[in-house]
Amino acid sequence: EVQVLESGGGLVQPGGSLRLSCAASEFTFTTYAMSWVRQAPGKGLEWLSAISASGNSPFYADSVKGRFTISRDNSKNTLYLQMNSLRAEDTAMYYCAKWTRRDGYYFDYWGQGTLVTVSS
Amino acid sequence: QTVVTQEPSFSVSPGGTVTLTCGLRSGSVSTSYYPSWYQQTPGQAPRTLMYSTNIRSSGVPERFSGSILGNKAALTITGAQADDDSDYYCVLYMGSGISVFGGGTKLTVL
Repeated sequence: EVQVLESGGGLVQPGGSLRLSCAASEFTFTTYAMSWVRQAPGKGLEWLSAISASGNSPFYADSVKGRFTISRDNSKNTLYLQMNSLRAEDTAMYYCAKWTRRDGYYFDYWGQGTLVTVSS
Repeated sequence: QTVVTQEPSFSVSPGGTVTLTCGLRSGSVSTSYYPSWYQQTPGQAPRTLMYSTNIRSSGVPERFSGSILGNKAALTITGAQADDDSDYYCVLYMGSGISVFGGGTKLTVL
């Protein structure tokens, strides 16, 4: 069964940095795009970023462009999100999702999320 | 900035039918936006229900259906059940790798 498992969340001070990881298994990671989505406490889902299967094409929401960097290591079946200049409003559960671009564009598998808290 | 609109809340009786919609603040939703729908219960990760407007994801019951109604994407639940009590999110694909979530609809089944 397809699995994506996030890690790397935690408590970080405002202005700090954090790198999230997402380990993927049971599918051919190198042929699928991937994405990050977050959910602030009590709020809705927010798409943040996506990256092509090769890793050559990253995409970002305006809210994180310039602060967050998505990347992947296809040799390790792992997706990353480097988050810099963190703000209180970045506090959220961060989900990794497999992003399918066949028969449409949609997120077909989700991880359980990793919690990021930005606070002093 | 693209804004995807959804009803904040909706209520349906068990066994009833409800249609949730997904629109654009400016413009009309068409199949070219590849609307997809996700269900989320508190404390859980989202679950994929529907993609490309009307294709049910694996394991999703037939009581869920998707369509374009007028200028919006729609998710219809026919014969609502208690465990359909959840939050529902739509996503529109804007092109150039960008996806946008709607604000979500809290569906109450009672």
